Amino acid sequence: DAKTTQPTSMDCAEGRAANLPCNHSTISGNEYVYWYRQIHSQGPQYIIHGLKNNETNEMASLIITEDRKSSTLILPHATLRDTAVYYCIVRVLKETSGSRLTFGEGTQLTVNP
Amino acid sequence: DAGITQSPRHKVTETGTPVTLRCHQTENHRYMYWYRQDPGHGLRLIHYSYGVKDTDKGEVSDGYSVSRSKTEDFLLTLESATSSQTSVYFCAISGYGNSYEQYFGPGTRLTVT
Repeated sequence: DAKTTQPTSMDCAEGRAANLPCNHSTISGNEYVYWYRQIHSQGPQYIIHGLKNNETNEMASLIITEDRKSSTLILPHATLRDTAVYYCIVRVLKETSGSRLTFGEGTQLTVNP
Repeated sequence: DAGITQSPRHKVTETGTPVTLRCHQTENHRYMYWYRQDPGHGLRLIHYSYGVKDTDKGEVSDGYSVSRSKTEDFLLTLESATSSQTSVYFCAISGYGNSYEQYFGPGTRLTVT
């Protein structure tokens, strides 16, 4: 699995877009980029994943650079409830189970009023 | 939110007693997982299931057993609880086709005294 690098912490003003970067320069062609977050004392929450095209869902947008060496998770209008640790992971898509999800250090996003 | 519930949400028990945690899903997903999360260790997979009566070990399975007699329920049993099993336990589910897209329950905080 490719290694990922994320900033330790970021701040964002409420109502503004939060742009969380992730570097994955050793990503291979069949590896997907996944984003999760964990709000304090809650279970991890799946946000979005993508291979090479930009993806958008009701929670966020994922922008993957053309060379796939980095990506950005965008929360378009951050709220206080988006304060959490955000994890970027890179994995080969697997249809079988036993897929152990492991998180690195992640980025602590703090949304300020 | 994915329909996943865990019970109990909090439990305090004494060393040497058996404990069973329950995970219940209403999504009819094939795969179910039990993780524990501890400071400094991140998320660690205990056991997982890929169908009714089909289970396998994760990375930290010693001292734990599981059972899945119905699609919707996945039970985690600590046969004889020890203080090292004090942790927050998360259940997760995933559907067929993308096992890294996992949805987590709210967690059970277990304290073994």
